[in-house]
Amino acid sequence: GAVVSQHPSWVICKSGTSVKIECRSLDFQATTMFWYRQFPKQSLMLMATSNEGSKATYEQGVEKDKFLINHASLTLSTLTVTSAHPEDSSFYICSAPQTGNYGYTFGSGTRLTVV
Amino acid sequence: RKEVEQDPGPFNVPEGATVAFNCTYSNSASQSFFWYRQDCRKEPKLLMSVYSSGNEDGRFTAQLNRASQYISLLIRDSKLSDSATYLCVVNDNNDMRFGAGTRLTVKP
Repeated sequence: GAVVSQHPSWVICKSGTSVKIECRSLDFQATTMFWYRQFPKQSLMLMATSNEGSKATYEQGVEKDKFLINHASLTLSTLTVTSAHPEDSSFYICSAPQTGNYGYTFGSGTRLTVV
Repeated sequence: RKEVEQDPGPFNVPEGATVAFNCTYSNSASQSFFWYRQDCRKEPKLLMSVYSSGNEDGRFTAQLNRASQYISLLIRDSKLSDSATYLCVVNDNNDMRFGAGTRLTVKP
């Protein structure tokens, strides 16, 4: 089946640094990629939607200058957390829609810890 | 009102029990519906789509009530391995909206 490969699985970084998270679609083209954040014991919250070749659409309250999203090709979307702070520590996960009514395929998630 | 609402639980049931989860959604124009399962610190995985006529997959039955704007998931003969968080997901014009999830623990 369709697979979305997400890297890194976990990362620890210092405050003020930037972290890039990649999601690659394997064996299919992902014209759209959704980026979510999940805090402990909370639901997945949509941060932004990236579309290949155009600017990402951000949800209300999500700073586009802090969470840079790039979707340069049909198989790669990236999320860069710039100037990370401890409150950015979370589980970040991407997903791409499947054709038909087959739901969405998720990446395996990235656990970010900012110290 | 939240877009997608679920009872967070937790539901603690013995093996073999039947357990049901409900989920309500606010947008009457929502197009498609899913149940996902999420294990701790893992990504959600599709459990089943929910069709208007209701659908069954082994021990799992999903139903949709558009008039009342809710979907349900029924798990029969629950197993220890069914312990997870079950997420109700609603597709609004290609935007996935998640419920907060219902935590299920199946005990021996």
